[in-house]
Amino acid sequence: QQQVKQSPQSLIVQKGGISIINCAYENTAFDYFPWYQQFPGKGPALLIAIRPDVSEKKEGRFTISFNKSAKQFSLHIMDSQPGDSATYFCAFHTGGFKTIFGAGTRLFVKA
Amino acid sequence: GAGVSQSPSNKVTEKGKDVELRCDPISGHTALYWYRQSLGQGLEFLIYFQGNSAPDKSGLPSDRFSAERTGGSVSTLTIQRTQQEDSAVYLCASSLASTGYNSPLHFGNGTRLTVT
Repeated sequence: QQQVKQSPQSLIVQKGGISIINCAYENTAFDYFPWYQQFPGKGPALLIAIRPDVSEKKEGRFTISFNKSAKQFSLHIMDSQPGDSATYFCAFHTGGFKTIFGAGTRLFVKA
Repeated sequence: GAGVSQSPSNKVTEKGKDVELRCDPISGHTALYWYRQSLGQGLEFLIYFQGNSAPDKSGLPSDRFSAERTGGSVSTLTIQRTQQEDSAVYLCASSLASTGYNSPLHFGNGTRLTVT
């Protein structure tokens, strides 16, 4: 069973700080790694995604870093804002139809 | 354009009753998925529909769960003889094709099911 392990389970960061969420995967067959952001009462929405042939992708304050040898990828949120408070899911897509999600990280950014 | 629409947004039912949850995917999206999200948990895959192909039901937790997709569009998830452990948010998602880098999942806001 392909799995992706996400940490930490919850995270509290001061406004302006850096939020870091990590994910480790087991399978080596993959297409890409998406991250989804979910606000309370809403469904998850794609935030950013990275292909395995690049080591980093940046979109605004959000950066994905990918370490293929360590089988890890991480999301960095620079200059974290209270509006970033949400649950973040890393995910793992293997080329089939299933997207396997991590357990989620609840981020709270203190004003 | 319109996103994925799910109804009802909330459903409270008594243990043992049957419930139907509805999903209207984004127009033109051929792939449709159901996921379950228990309180504070991740997303558990339930079932997948792609075009006219036979659905993949490998994630359905028991034979009390079933789903249909009529006309390649609207989908209904049915839970028979509901149990308290079925209480969760049921999320529907659609994508333009089988998911890929350029075809992410688009989720609805879910149906919060509470079994009393």
